[in-house]
Amino acid sequence: DVQLVESGGGLVKPGGSLRLSCAASGFTFGSYSMTWVRQAPGKGLDWVSSISSSSSHIYYANSVKGRFTISRDNAKNSLYLQMDSLRAEDSAVYYCAREMSYDNSGYPKNDAFDIWGQGTMVTVAS
Amino acid sequence: DIQMTQSPSAMSASVGDRVTITCRASQGISNYLAWFQQKPGQVPKRLIYAASSLQSGVPSRFSGSGSGTEFTLTISSLQPEDFATYYCLQHNSYPRTFGQGTKVEIK
Repeated sequence: DVQLVESGGGLVKPGGSLRLSCAASGFTFGSYSMTWVRQAPGKGLDWVSSISSSSSHIYYANSVKGRFTISRDNAKNSLYLQMDSLRAEDSAVYYCAREMSYDNSGYPKNDAFDIWGQGTMVTVAS
Repeated sequence: DIQMTQSPSAMSASVGDRVTITCRASQGISNYLAWFQQKPGQVPKRLIYAASSLQSGVPSRFSGSGSGTEFTLTISSLQPEDFATYYCLQHNSYPRTFGQGTKVEIK
């Protein structure tokens, strides 16, 4: 089965750090761009960051730029999110999701965000 | 950045009703739009991709339409299991942006 499993969430003090992981299985991880999406309690979905299949292109939401770092290890089928200088407003469930693959011409297929992990909760509080 | 304006933010409907939810993009996104359903405590589930393609396993009462800046999710006959929050997402460009959500409640 195609699956994404997040880990690494927890309670951290403001200004602290956490590293989230997302383990992928059941598909060719290295062929897909990947993304992190978060959802604060009772709020909507909020895109955080994306990384291309080869890590050559990385994107961040303005709210996390300079504090969060996305990375991946295709040999380990794993996606990561290093979160530094955490703030109370970063408290949320963090989901990893499979973003998209590309056709033979390198054009993105219009089939994004089809697989999501179960999420991991991050709470930033003193 | 592309803003996605979703309406309504909430609605009450009855079983059997036809429900329409709209997303408007602040600039053209072709058909790089997906719709998701999320029930409390659950992971978002993709219903529609490429604006109008039905995700495998999703009931045919769900349909999507639109291109450019105006998009619609339609539930032809609302069922009890459809009471949930629905989100649109544009993935034409970065940053990716979600609509604010539409909560469909029981009338």
